[in-house]
Order: sequence, then C-alpha cells, then structure tokens
Amino acid sequence: NAGVMQNPRHLVRRRGQEARLRCSPMKGHSHVYWYRQLPEEGLKFMVYLQKENIIDESGMPKERFSAEFPKEGPSILRIQQVVRGDSAAYFCASSPQGLNEQFFGPGTRLTVL
Amino acid sequence: GENVEQHPSTLSVQEGDSAVIKCTYSDSASNYFPWYKQELGKGPQLIIDIRSNVGEKKDQRIAVTLNKTAKHFSLHITETQPEDSAVYFCALATGGFKTIFGAGTRLFVKA
Repeated sequence: NAGVMQNPRHLVRRRGQEARLRCSPMKGHSHVYWYRQLPEEGLKFMVYLQKENIIDESGMPKERFSAEFPKEGPSILRIQQVVRGDSAAYFCASSPQGLNEQFFGPGTRLTVL
Repeated sequence: GENVEQHPSTLSVQEGDSAVIKCTYSDSASNYFPWYKQELGKGPQLIIDIRSNVGEKKDQRIAVTLNKTAKHFSLHITETQPEDSAVYFCALATGGFKTIFGAGTRLFVKA
C-alpha cells in the first residue's frame, strides 16, 4: 500500500516563473491537505480539499496561490510568479473519509532563485 | 483562532533517559491531538494521537497525556534511543479537519 506521493521532490524556479506541485493521496483517501514549512519552523496549514471541492483555504495567500483536487488525477498546488519568499518545503497529507488522521508525503522542496 | 504553543524548542537527553514535550492550546473546542516525528529531509510521521474523551494513551515507549481542563497535552518517550533523535511536533484539530501544528521540539539523544 503506497503512501502519499509527491513530485517533484525538488523544484528550482526563477523569480516570476510558475511552480506546480503534485500530490497523490494514499489509496482510499479522499481528503488532501497542503502545508508549508520554512526552515527550522513548524508546518503552516494552507488548504484542505476533497475531490473537486476546496473545503478550507484560509491558510493560503489570496494572490498567486491556487489548489485543486480533480475527480481524476493528483492534487495540484500552483504558485504563479514565484518570489524568493516562496522558497520552502511544501507537504501534502491525506486522510480517509471522516477521520482526522493525516498521513504525510515526503514533501517538495521549492527553491526560487 | 486556534493556537498551540510547544516547549521546549530543543531537548537533549542521555540515551535511556526519558523525554517530555509539552503543548498548550487556547481553543477549548479542540478534540483531536496528534504527535508527529519528522526526520531530516522527510515528511512528518504520525506516531501517536489522542482524542478529547481520553486522558492518556500509551504505545510501547511512547505515551501521551491530555488535560482538557488545563488545556495542555504532553508526549512522553521512555528509554530513549539514538534513533529517537528528530523533530517532534504536537498538533490539534477542532471539529473539522484543519490541523494546527506547534513550532516543534528538536530532540537529541546522546549515546
């Protein structure tokens, strides 16, 4: 039973480019969460999605950031016109329907030059 | 809004000793309290969790206690081993599934 998968593991972008981060939840999990972690800091909640629905995006910046979890395929976190401050590790987690337990992927480390 | 404070930020213990990490929170509606272990370069791994209707839970060398009246919960690791060295995060969820994390405790277990 494969765990949560994220790709790419490392992503380098220049300022102004777009970053697309992908997350495939564990089999049978219908809830996906995205978190951002700066070096030496905890995880900050960004967005919570179910299939085709954004449930809570209160932690996501209003501009340049968007997330989706389509009916088919992985969840995507998209960052447009990246800036140096976007450099961080982005983690995805998934959970089964109706349960709190979240299982994390290995993360995508974004570096903006 | 929800907030969780975690202490200490760094903890160094001798192999075989116990380690205790404490978290306090402000929202009395919080009802789910997981603990995660994060090793360098990896994602957080759920190691134990507790719900608001339980005061204590144990799994081998790891135990968690919850005091809802005082709004604090703690992680206890007994007989620590070098492989326990990692960053530990407490977290909580309130009703829904949004989870708030503490700032983390870096645990060093000296052999």
